[in-house]
Amino acid sequence: GAGVSQSPSNKVTEKGKDVELRCDPISGHTALYWYRQSLGQGLEFLIYFQGNSAPDKSGLPSDRFSAERTGGSVSTLTIQRTQQEDSAVYLCASSLVGEASTYEQYFGPGTRLTVT
Amino acid sequence: GQQLNQSPQSMFIQEGEDVSMNCTSSSIFNTWLWYKQDPGEGPVLLIALYKAGELTSNGRLTAQFGITRKDSFLNISASIPSDVGIYFCAGPGSGGSNYKLTFGKGTLLTVNP
Repeated sequence: GAGVSQSPSNKVTEKGKDVELRCDPISGHTALYWYRQSLGQGLEFLIYFQGNSAPDKSGLPSDRFSAERTGGSVSTLTIQRTQQEDSAVYLCASSLVGEASTYEQYFGPGTRLTVT
Repeated sequence: GQQLNQSPQSMFIQEGEDVSMNCTSSSIFNTWLWYKQDPGEGPVLLIALYKAGELTSNGRLTAQFGITRKDSFLNISASIPSDVGIYFCAGPGSGGSNYKLTFGKGTLLTVNP
């Protein structure tokens, strides 16, 4: 079946502009995650959605970052007034929910964001 | 917060050689995960370890959950060119935040044919 898809695959934007990154999770996966991967670094947790529960936003680095998940499926990560330090690959993942299922997170290919 | 230290940072090996990499933590993990990331792709889960001392294989890959629960290692036997990529260890958050995975910085593996 179809995996996690993300769009756009690449985004170049000017400092100060807003950007929206989209994630389509695997159908039936109720959990959705956003991570950020800076050059040469591991993945940094940003936000977690699970069903209709309030999202865990504890990983968002500043109030310029926000995310929503509509209808329990597609998610959008928005970065307002982008800064050069926001340049990174933004990865989305989805999973079923359960002790072991939670760790089996399926990742999309990511959106490479470059802020000039 | 939790931190995972991976070593080595990078490896250059010849096709057919065996590879070993490890991951250590200052805090205890109840689960260890090993992911592989190919260029331009998201990470893919290779092996999950749930019990201290557990040794688990997936084809040519073998991973072990350290007895102290503060380390894990991954071995790749008879490497092939498609093993190239970045290997990450990861562990879940504590308490009710087990979905919040912490990742190491990765080991970059290059295999020369």
